[in-house]
Parts: sequence; C-alpha cells; structure tokens
Amino acid sequence: EDQVTQSPEALRLQEGESSSLNCSYTVSGLRGLFWYRQDPGKGPEFLFTLYSAGEEKEKERLKATLTKKESFLHITAPKPEDSATYLCAVQAYNFNKFYFGSGTKLNVKP
Amino acid sequence: DTGVSQDPRHKITKRGQNVTFRCDPISEHNRLYWYRQTLGQGPEFLTYFQNEAQLEKSRLLSDRFSAERPKGSFSTLEIQRTEQGDSAMYLCASSSPGQGHEKLFFGSGTQLSVL
Repeated sequence: EDQVTQSPEALRLQEGESSSLNCSYTVSGLRGLFWYRQDPGKGPEFLFTLYSAGEEKEKERLKATLTKKESFLHITAPKPEDSATYLCAVQAYNFNKFYFGSGTKLNVKP
Repeated sequence: DTGVSQDPRHKITKRGQNVTFRCDPISEHNRLYWYRQTLGQGPEFLTYFQNEAQLEKSRLLSDRFSAERPKGSFSTLEIQRTEQGDSAMYLCASSSPGQGHEKLFFGSGTQLSVL
C-alpha cells in the first residue's frame, strides 16, 4: 500500500539554525511528490513539486530534494515566520488521489 | 484566480443532525477533491470528481457521507446522522492536470464540531 512517513513530528529551532525535514515514501510508480505548508486553521499552501530522483527546487529559505525513497525539505537560516506544519504528499501514476504524511510541526524561536 | 472557497468556515452541530458543506473551486479547474483532517494528522482522502463525475471514493467513507458536483462547478459534501467521530476539518481542493502538471489548491476548510 502507498505510504508517506514524515519525521520528525515536531522540530524546534532557534532563528538562524538550519535543519532538514524528512519525507519517506513507498508508492507504486511516483507521478509526483509535493510539499505544502499549513498554518493553524488554514488549508495547505503549495510549496514544491518534484518529479524524479535528483531533482531539486528552491524558494527563499527552503530547498526540496528527491531520491528514489525519500525527500528532504532543507530550511536555511529560518525565521519565526517559517513556523508552520510542513506536509509531504505523493501521487502515484495509477491513482489520481494524493497521499499525505502526518506533517512536521516546525517552531522557530527568535 | 480567486482561489478555492469553502462555506461555512465553522459548523457546530448536535450528534444525529445532518450537515452540508459547499466548495467553490478555481473556475477553470476540472478536478475537485474532498479531504478530511484531524488534529495532528495529514489530510485523508475522501473522494474526487473530474468535472461532474465522481471517479473515486475512499473505502473508509461510510454511506452517511455523500458528495455531489452538479454541472462540474461547485461541490457539496453532506454528512447524515453525524457522530462525534466526524469532528474534523473538511478540506476541499481543486486542480487542473491538463496544464501538464498537477498540484492541489486548497480552500481554508470547514471545521466541524459534533457535540
């Protein structure tokens, strides 16, 4: 069965302290891997799509990478406004639905 | 692009009552998804439509849940005889895979509390 596992569940960082979030997946034929940001009480907001192993995408302090089994979301010199839950999702070729992980709740302290 | 709209934002109901939520997708998007999210968990797939056709429904979805998308525009999700376990955030998302790639655009959700 297709599965997505995210770690850690929660992460506390000091402002400026870089770190990485992990998303491990098992899927029968990956169509795409997606990263979303979710603020409390709101719907997820799209960040990146990765399609093949070796691909990388960047946006401001965030960089997403993809291997055949996992994806990383690297956060460089985070700021308090980066505090949110980061969700990973995969879409398989033979299904149209997206499978989401449970997310990593990031808290960046000033 | 006005985004995905969901109504209401919050709904409090008593156990056993029926509730209905509405979702207005981004106008040119032909796919519409419903997800459910509980605290500390990721969104869980419920069902999706391509235009007006409901193409897939989660096996976890009981027959108390029904969704429609008449004319391929807005969608409604109805829960009959609500139970306390139905308390969750109900998220709607839309997409347009015909543009060469697919990503979901989410609404702000409807937070349901069943007392």
